[in-house]
Amino acid sequence: QSVLTQPPSVSEAPRQRVTISCSGSSSNIGHNAVNWYQQLPGKAPKLLIYYDGLLPSGVSDRFSGSKSGTSASLAISGLQSEDEADYYCATWDDSLNGPIFGGGTKLTVL
Amino acid sequence: QITLKESGPTLVKPTQTLTLTCTFSGFSLSTSGVGVGWIRQPPGKALEWLALIYWDDDQRYSPSLKTRLTITKDTSKNQVVLAMTNVDPVDTATYYCAHLERLVPSAVLYFDYWGQGTLVTVSS
Repeated sequence: QSVLTQPPSVSEAPRQRVTISCSGSSSNIGHNAVNWYQQLPGKAPKLLIYYDGLLPSGVSDRFSGSKSGTSASLAISGLQSEDEADYYCATWDDSLNGPIFGGGTKLTVL
Repeated sequence: QITLKESGPTLVKPTQTLTLTCTFSGFSLSTSGVGVGWIRQPPGKALEWLALIYWDDDQRYSPSLKTRLTITKDTSKNQVVLAMTNVDPVDTATYYCAHLERLVPSAVLYFDYWGQGTLVTVSS
């Protein structure tokens, strides 16, 4: 059971917008930056968002991230079939003194 | 560009020690602020952080696995090695190594480059 809580799955139609939530606590999200990873089927995770809302070079601006208090969100607009993947939030946990990951959210594009 | 690749056995017997090697290029583990981490993913399950090693040889471990893990680095070979003792079938997973980036001056940390992963099965 992950310290960071994500919905197990979300689904939405192509060209629509979807958000994925990530809930934590004051010792992790409340005090540290949130990063998001995309894991396509059978592939290694890929950094999607870092420092709450920054996009690495080469990542589409259809992806955006935000954080408020002890929760964070990933938004994907203009959904495409290629966005079907598992999405993980991650941050640092001060109690653990190390990184933690959410349980992952499977995105299905209907 | 930064690349990482994991190597090691694909099959390990219960109670044995698993040793995995991460060979990387495009950065040096002697550069201030740099780190390499190990993360694993059991089949169909979430990512789990295992261990970290920094440029100054500072080592960090997941509390739940701390007594079974040892992480070391060989800067001259551009390698990081993870040893896990007394493995069990529940340790069956894909094991990833990843480059840990530290933003300055915020000190925000994140894994920006990942290896392809190596599947390790623990079975007699």
